[in-house]
Amino acid sequence: GENVEQHPSTLSVQEGDSAVIKCTYSDSASNYFPWYKQELGKRPQLIIDIRSNVGEKKDQRIAVTLNKTAKHFSLHITETQPEDSAVYFCAATIYNTDKLIFGTGTRLQVFP
Amino acid sequence: NAGVTQTPKFRILKIGQSMTLQCTQDMNHNYMYWYRQDPGMGLKLIYYSVGAGITDKGEVPNGYNVSRSTTEDFPLRLELAAPSQTSVYFCASGGGRLNTEAFFGQGTRLTVV
Repeated sequence: GENVEQHPSTLSVQEGDSAVIKCTYSDSASNYFPWYKQELGKRPQLIIDIRSNVGEKKDQRIAVTLNKTAKHFSLHITETQPEDSAVYFCAATIYNTDKLIFGTGTRLQVFP
Repeated sequence: NAGVTQTPKFRILKIGQSMTLQCTQDMNHNYMYWYRQDPGMGLKLIYYSVGAGITDKGEVPNGYNVSRSTTEDFPLRLELAAPSQTSVYFCASGGGRLNTEAFFGQGTRLTVV
């Protein structure tokens, strides 16, 4: 069945360092890959997304890369700041079913 | 600019009771989703809908039912509450094969005792 695996489950970095979160999806029909940030007690909110016809997308300090052959996609955060501390979720939309399936989440802690 | 609105925000149910979690959106989205988020865990898809009158099961549908009589509303029904249904429930709209952002409601924290 459809599945999205996400690693690591927790990630601690020093302020200013980079953080990388990786996801793998199972269904080759997946064609849209959003990333959501969820602060404590809040709702998930979209931070960046990538479509299957693109290999990389960047928005200021965050970037996402997609390897369709390997069914991998990754979130890269550079120059991390304490306000980047949150849980990050990757997700994949499966084209022919319209399902939006989420990974298990990564808790990122940025220490000053 | 309401977006996606869920009610109630908090609820305590006794085992065996029933309730409906309400979700309404004002963005005219066809796609709507219900997720549950257990403590420290990810978002699991319960049910979803691609338009009025059309619903389908997600990853964890057992113990739940949904309906979609209008574009705006997508209520989630728990018929016989069990402790395993203690969770935070999120409704979302948007996304789907249009590959656009899915917007989340503020969540409903449900405890079954």
